[in-house]
Amino acid sequence: AQSVTQPDIHITVSEGASLELRCNYSYGATPYLFWYVQSPGQGLQLLLKYFSGDTLVQGIKGFEAEFKRSQSSFNLRKPSVHWSDAAEYFCAVSSSGSARQLTFGSGTQLTVLP
Amino acid sequence: KAGVTQTPRYLIKTRGQQVTLSCSPISGHRSVSWYQQTPGQGLQFLFEYFSETQRNKGNFPGRFSGRQFSNSRSEMNVSTLELGDSALYLCASTPLGSGTEAFFGQGTRLTVV
Repeated sequence: AQSVTQPDIHITVSEGASLELRCNYSYGATPYLFWYVQSPGQGLQLLLKYFSGDTLVQGIKGFEAEFKRSQSSFNLRKPSVHWSDAAEYFCAVSSSGSARQLTFGSGTQLTVLP
Repeated sequence: KAGVTQTPRYLIKTRGQQVTLSCSPISGHRSVSWYQQTPGQGLQFLFEYFSETQRNKGNFPGRFSGRQFSNSRSEMNVSTLELGDSALYLCASTPLGSGTEAFFGQGTRLTVV
């Protein structure tokens, strides 16, 4: 069965600092990977996705992620964090070619200090 | 283009009651998936409907059920509510084809007292 691990429950960074959120997946074949962001009391918004091709994926709001098959990782990065980035971030994997059934990690709560 | 609409946004129910939640997908999307989000268990897949048929189901008891109508709108029902059913229930709609993404609604916050 597929699974996703987000090792960091909570991360605190200063505004303007760089950010990296870790995600490790377990899946036998080629995974389809996603990063979503959730603000308090809201639904999930897609930041970026990886299906195939270039392993460095660009997303919205200045985020990017790199798929590393050898490390079973799909880490999310941003070079300079803004206060509005404070939210919870979820990594997810799908075994099919679509996003109809996602397995999520437990999430990483991001706090941004002024 | 309107997004995924979930109603109601908030619900308070008593143990033992049943509840029905509604989800209207993005126009043209025929797949609707439901997820339960709790602090303890995180985001868990409940089930997915496509063309009025349940295609996939997560590991939840039979008290959790759903259906999809011909216009792709979906409902989920929870019978004999338990305190542990308190959660944010999220609906997602997905277009056909591979390489697609799921679009989430804002969720229904269910509180069981």
